[in-house]
Amino acid sequence: GDSVTQMEGPVTLSEEAFLTINCTYTATGYPSLFWYVQYPGEGLQLLLKATKADDKGSNKGFEATYRKETTSFHLEKGSVQVSDSAVYFCALRKVSGYSTLTFGKGTMLLVSP
Amino acid sequence: DTAVSQTPKYLVTQMGNDKSIKCEQNLGHDTMYWYKQDSKKFLKIMFSYNNKELIINETVPNRFSPKSPDKAHLNLHINSLELGDSAVYFCASSPWTGDGSTGELFFGEGSRLTVL
Repeated sequence: GDSVTQMEGPVTLSEEAFLTINCTYTATGYPSLFWYVQYPGEGLQLLLKATKADDKGSNKGFEATYRKETTSFHLEKGSVQVSDSAVYFCALRKVSGYSTLTFGKGTMLLVSP
Repeated sequence: DTAVSQTPKYLVTQMGNDKSIKCEQNLGHDTMYWYKQDSKKFLKIMFSYNNKELIINETVPNRFSPKSPDKAHLNLHINSLELGDSAVYFCASSPWTGDGSTGELFFGEGSRLTVL
């Protein structure tokens, strides 16, 4: 079946450091890919998405590129802030038929001043 | 206005009890979901409804029964609660993806269930 693998956390960084959170997927066909963010005590919010190979999703300084050849969708940010501390989820969704999001296990990011 | 709202936000109850969590969305979406998030933050789909019809039913004990009275509401009833049911339950909604759209999910804030 479909699956998403994310790097284990927590990832601990100082403010203004560079962030990478790795995500790889296994799926038949060509899924859409997503990053969701969950701030403490809140629900999940869509951070960015990409629907086909080589698409780059971006939002709030975060970026991720859909790499079909490596089945990856790594999340990056050039300079993190304390307010970026949250749990980040990579997810995929098939674009045909009945389907829903398949999530990775989440990666906690802790940014210190 | 909250797009996807769940009640209650917190629920503490004894083993063996029956409880319900309610969800409402005002986004006009056709599809609604229940996800369970365990203590390690792992999210797993439980159910999905499209226009009041059950379309996804993962391997969930039959003590869990979803009900969709209309396409804006999806409630979750749990019978004979067990310790392992303690988790955060998230409701979500999305536009219908039958035509292959990307299907962004909008989540509620979660309902934290604690079974003692």
